[in-house]
Amino acid sequence: ETGVTQTPRHLVMGMTNKKSLKCEQHLGHNAMYWYKQSAKKPLELMFVYSLEERVENNSVPSRFSPECPNSSHLFLHLHTLQPEDSALYLCASSQASGSGANVLTFGAGSRLTVL
Amino acid sequence: GQNIDQPTEMTATEGAIVQINCTYQTSGFNGLFWYQQHAGEAPTFLSYNVLDGLEEKGRFSSFLSRSKGYSYLLLKELQMKDSASYLCAVRDSNYQLIWGAGTKLIIKP
Repeated sequence: ETGVTQTPRHLVMGMTNKKSLKCEQHLGHNAMYWYKQSAKKPLELMFVYSLEERVENNSVPSRFSPECPNSSHLFLHLHTLQPEDSALYLCASSQASGSGANVLTFGAGSRLTVL
Repeated sequence: GQNIDQPTEMTATEGAIVQINCTYQTSGFNGLFWYQQHAGEAPTFLSYNVLDGLEEKGRFSSFLSRSKGYSYLLLKELQMKDSASYLCAVRDSNYQLIWGAGTKLIIKP
């Protein structure tokens, strides 16, 4: 596979469930990102990992917990979410520095519905 | 605060030309990006402008005026497959990306 792959594509969970979103990139990038996309709103940056270290955490509630075991994989662990957390969660990757920095390659997203 | 403005929705006719505007107010400027996102799909990179002027890539062109805090994406010879959302993003002085809410472009036959 090439590009950025996210699983699952769709997820429905109750407020007491625990689930995880997975992202995998095969581009040789060394920075990975989680974004939240809600209808008619700008993309919200949640977490950034550069060279496997978390470098950004934009005041995201602790019910979202990221994990980056290596430069190719990124997880978002979900626990006791709220209905307002329903959104499309996008993973992206890029080069951490150099001319390709900030040119993001996105996955197709995981559509999360919290009941 | 930092802000990116772009129209919420636009409609155009197949074969025509459409211009999608983006104005920005950010803490510094280190480049402007346009991405295309088809419904249910990943956003994909279209263009990058860091100097004033027009960058052309086939049917798509992107323009930047740093003094006016303004960019536009120009799509020529519109095709039905161009129906998508177009996202404008600015890289600020801290190299953080500031995103607009996107413009949904509807192409009619």
